[in-house]
Amino acid sequence: GQQLNQSPQSMFIQEGEDVSMNCTSSSIFNTWLWYKQDPGEGPVLLIALYKAGELTSNGRLTAQFGITRKDSFLNISASIPSDVGIYFCAGFFNFGNEKLTFGTGTRLTIIP
Amino acid sequence: NAGVTQTPKFRVLKTGQSMTLLCAQDMNHEYMYWYRQDPGMGLRLIHYSVGEGTTAKGEVPDGYNVSRLKKQNFLLGLESAAPSQTSVYFCASSSTFSTNEKLFFGSGTQLSVL
Repeated sequence: GQQLNQSPQSMFIQEGEDVSMNCTSSSIFNTWLWYKQDPGEGPVLLIALYKAGELTSNGRLTAQFGITRKDSFLNISASIPSDVGIYFCAGFFNFGNEKLTFGTGTRLTIIP
Repeated sequence: NAGVTQTPKFRVLKTGQSMTLLCAQDMNHEYMYWYRQDPGMGLRLIHYSVGEGTTAKGEVPDGYNVSRLKKQNFLLGLESAAPSQTSVYFCASSSTFSTNEKLFFGSGTQLSVL
């Protein structure tokens, strides 16, 4: 089946730093999604991308749908303590057997 | 605004025991899902339902059964728990089976099988 690899697996940064993470797939997707999971909670949708090359922002978060349709990127600017959590990408290919595939996650820790 | 509610939040089982996880949503969503989350594996779909009275297998269905007798409830059962089923389980719901409608997740059930 399709696999989504996220990198890095974990990040330790200082408050105020910018964060970059990415997700790569073995095959193309029509839609990319980015979720955030707070400790002890379920994932919550942050950004949805529907078109190759698309760049979408949500506050301090910016995500891009890669041109090849096999990758996506998430950037967080000027990180704050509440950004701590696990970030998941997810890809969807809606021709035939639709299934949402989740990435392995990037755990973000902010050092005071 | 309850959204998606899962019970219990934590459970410890012995190998061979059975249990049922309950998921309830109050958003009148047609679609409901059960995922498991394991370190380094992301979220994997166990079973899903496209409406009351229907169920379908996901990516990792073995060892689990589900039922959707009422639209608002989706039950996940383990008939004979195994240590490999130690995981965090998430229920989710959506109004359509499409990425245009986001998934709403519950807060998870942490299950340990000894």
